[in-house]
Amino acid sequence: EVQLVESGGGLVQPGRSLRLSCTASGFTFGDYAMSWFRQAPGKGLEWVGFIRSKAYGGTTEYAASVKGRFTISRDDSKSIAYLQMNSLKTEDTAVYYCTRGNWFDPWGQGTLVTVSS
Amino acid sequence: AIQMTQSPSSLSASVGDRVTITCRASQGIRNDLGWYQQKPGKAPKLLIYAASSLQSGVPSRFSGSGSGTDFTLTISSLQPEDFATYYCLQDYNYPPTFGQGTRLEIK
Repeated sequence: EVQLVESGGGLVQPGRSLRLSCTASGFTFGDYAMSWFRQAPGKGLEWVGFIRSKAYGGTTEYAASVKGRFTISRDDSKSIAYLQMNSLKTEDTAVYYCTRGNWFDPWGQGTLVTVSS
Repeated sequence: AIQMTQSPSSLSASVGDRVTITCRASQGIRNDLGWYQQKPGKAPKLLIYAASSLQSGVPSRFSGSGSGTDFTLTISSLQPEDFATYYCLQDYNYPPTFGQGTRLEIK
């Protein structure tokens, strides 16, 4: 069964950093691009960014709202994708989801990040 | 960024009803559109990809159509488990953008 599990969320002060992990199982992780999305409380879905597979250069793309602050990386040997979030703002408060491939399927259960003093 | 305008924003319907949700893109996106279902407190689930292809395991009462700028998600006969929020998502270029969502409620 294909499964994605996010971890690393929590309460963090504005300006601080947090790293989320997305642990994959049930498929050949290295063959797929991996994406991160988020959903602020009571709001719609927002794409955060993604990382291509090594076969496509392993390069990344980011939403304008996080570019320069967030970094996506991957460790294919461990089947984990990471979202490093620096200089966090209160507006980054959201549930963060990881997902697989070009059509974003499946999604993990999400991990809540709360940025507050 | 491409704007996705989804309508209606909410919809009340009964079990057995046929419902249609539409999404309009601010520019042509070929068929690079997916439909997702989200239930409260849960992650989104892919229903339709490439505008009209049914994702494996999704009931056949769900269907998608459209190309270019105008797209439709149809549920042919609503079931109790279909009451949820639905989003369209364009993957034609970066950034991928969602419609505002359609909340489907029980009448």
